[in-house]
Amino acid sequence: EVQLVESGGGLVQPGGSLRLSCAASGFTFSNYWMHWVRQAPGKGLVWVSRLNSDGGSSNYADSVRGRFTISRDNAKNTLYLQMNSLRAEDTAVYYCAREPSISGTFFDYWGQGTLVTVSS
Amino acid sequence: EIVMTQSPATLSVSPGERATLSCRASQSVSSNLAWYQQKPGQAPRLLIYAASTRATGIPARFSGSGSGTEFTLTISSLQSEDFAVYYCQQYNNWPLTFGGGTKVEIK
Repeated sequence: EVQLVESGGGLVQPGGSLRLSCAASGFTFSNYWMHWVRQAPGKGLVWVSRLNSDGGSSNYADSVRGRFTISRDNAKNTLYLQMNSLRAEDTAVYYCAREPSISGTFFDYWGQGTLVTVSS
Repeated sequence: EIVMTQSPATLSVSPGERATLSCRASQSVSSNLAWYQQKPGQAPRLLIYAASTRATGIPARFSGSGSGTEFTLTISSLQSEDFAVYYCQQYNNWPLTFGGGTKVEIK
């Protein structure tokens, strides 16, 4: 069974940093491109970042480029999101999601999410 | 950036009735469109990709259609477990973008 379990969320002050983790199981993690998608409270879904299967190629939304860094450790089956210079508008539930191996950049499995709250 | 617009924002439907949800793209996305269902407190679940292909395990009452800029998700006979928020997502252009969602509620 495919499982994605996020952790690392919490309350952080504006300007602070946080690192999210997403532990994957039930599939060959190193074969898949992975993403982070976020959802502000009561709002819709917003794509954040993507990383290819070997960690060598990444993409970012304009709103986080230069502040967030996506990475992975295929030996540990874990995806990360390092978030720096956090702002109030970064407050959201952050989901990791798997991009399926068939053609198309959509998401076939999602984690349960981890809440990041940026507030003083 | 491609803007995805979903309508209506809220759809009130009785169990057993048909629900039709719309998604419009600000420019053509070909058939590179997915639909997701999200229930309160849960992660989204993939329903449809490539505009009309049901994901694994999705019941046949869910169907998708359209191409270019106009797309439709149809739920043929609403079951109690189908009351949720539905999002469309285009993956034809970067950045990936989602619609604002349609909430399907019990009438």
